[in-house]
Amino acid sequence: GQQVMQIPQYQHVQEGEDFTTYCNSSTTLSNIQWYKQRPGGHPVFLIQLVKSGEVKKQKRLTFQFGEAKKNSSLHITATQTTDVGTYFCAGIYNFNKFYFGSGTKLNVKP
Amino acid sequence: EPEVTQTPSHQVTQMGQEVILRCVPISNHLYFYWYRQILGQKVEFLVSFYNNEISEKSEIFDDQFSVERPDGSNFTLKIRSTKLEDSAMYFCASTSTGGRNQPQHFGDGTRLSIL
Repeated sequence: GQQVMQIPQYQHVQEGEDFTTYCNSSTTLSNIQWYKQRPGGHPVFLIQLVKSGEVKKQKRLTFQFGEAKKNSSLHITATQTTDVGTYFCAGIYNFNKFYFGSGTKLNVKP
Repeated sequence: EPEVTQTPSHQVTQMGQEVILRCVPISNHLYFYWYRQILGQKVEFLVSFYNNEISEKSEIFDDQFSVERPDGSNFTLKIRSTKLEDSAMYFCASTSTGGRNQPQHFGDGTRLSIL
């Protein structure tokens, strides 16, 4: 069946350092979405990538979708304490079935 | 900003009992979803619902689970005979009229504790 693998599981960084999380799918995705979940909160939509090789930026966040539409990454430049949370990718198959990655828990030390 | 609302925020139930989790999706949304998240783990897709029927379901969504949209606003998840392993946070989500690959808006979740 479809699976979305996400690494790393945890990342501890000093404020100001960069952070990257990666998602890989065993099969081609229709599109991929990224969500952020703060401790005790619910997932909040960040972005969606649809096209092969697509790159999107939101301030310090850069999202990439691989050429084969099987992998994606989220990169945060110069982390801040407000970036703390768990970042999930959600792989979408046939535009209808959502599979979340296991998440990367980011901790930022001031 | 419109929100997805879920009730109750916390439900404690004896094993074997039936439980109904309630959700009010955003009013002009047409696609509805249930997810569960076991403490500290990933968000797991359960079911998607469109046009008054299930459009997709996962392996987790077995005969113990059912969903219903009893009126124009509520979307419910029923677990018929709860097991200990059903203890989790259950999230409802909805997407806009644009289709199923639109951003999902999540509710705050219901924490289900099975004793």
